[in-house]
Amino acid sequence: EIVLTQSPGTLSLSPGERATLSCRASQSVSSSYLAWYQQKPGQAPRLLIYGASSRATGIPDRFSGSGSGTDFTLTISRLEPEDFAVYYCQQYGSSPPETFGPGTKVDIK
Amino acid sequence: QLQLQESGPGLVKPSETLSLTCTVSGGSISSSSYYWGWIRQPPGKGLEWIGSIYYSGSTYYNPSLKSRVTISVDTSKNQFSLKLSSVTAADTAVYYCARQDRARHYYYDSSGHIGYWGQGTLVTVSS
Repeated sequence: EIVLTQSPGTLSLSPGERATLSCRASQSVSSSYLAWYQQKPGQAPRLLIYGASSRATGIPDRFSGSGSGTDFTLTISRLEPEDFAVYYCQQYGSSPPETFGPGTKVDIK
Repeated sequence: QLQLQESGPGLVKPSETLSLTCTVSGGSISSSSYYWGWIRQPPGKGLEWIGSIYYSGSTYYNPSLKSRVTISVDTSKNQFSLKLSSVTAADTAVYYCARQDRARHYYYDSSGHIGYWGQGTLVTVSS
């Protein structure tokens, strides 16, 4: 089973700043089968990025994903007020099982 | 617009079986492009993939839950279901049903990223 580690656990930033979130896998994720989700309190997660770098439908271009192998990054170029949330990465390159990272909380500084 | 809706008891007693159904509307569960999955989230914690099913009935389960999980599909009703047996308090969670894109690997296909989620339903295990 591939274990995902996300860092930092919490990221405190101000609106307009750039956010860089890391997801590291315990072994290589084949085919860059890695996704990123955003979750706000009381809501289901929302798909942001799949295949490491493809934006899901309707996702603003301030969200971008990069990486391959064991190291992946989600970047939010300029934080909007609605971007403060918890972000999870998920790998599906070696499944079952698909696995999620523990999450990074982006909160307002 | 695709919608998924979970239904089932919100309270289950320890050692009993948790049963949930997901009703899909706005799209066909018999599409060859998707798997249909279950994911759970204990209160205040992270996400755990439980398993998924293809419209043909082919299933994948999380090995950590495999001995207790059954996922089934009813294409005539556009529904799929989850059964989790011998539940304990550790199974208390919000349970989500979801549509997962099909992920192609060298020798097999499996469920992939999750494009659509149900709203989730809280299931509490308590006597």
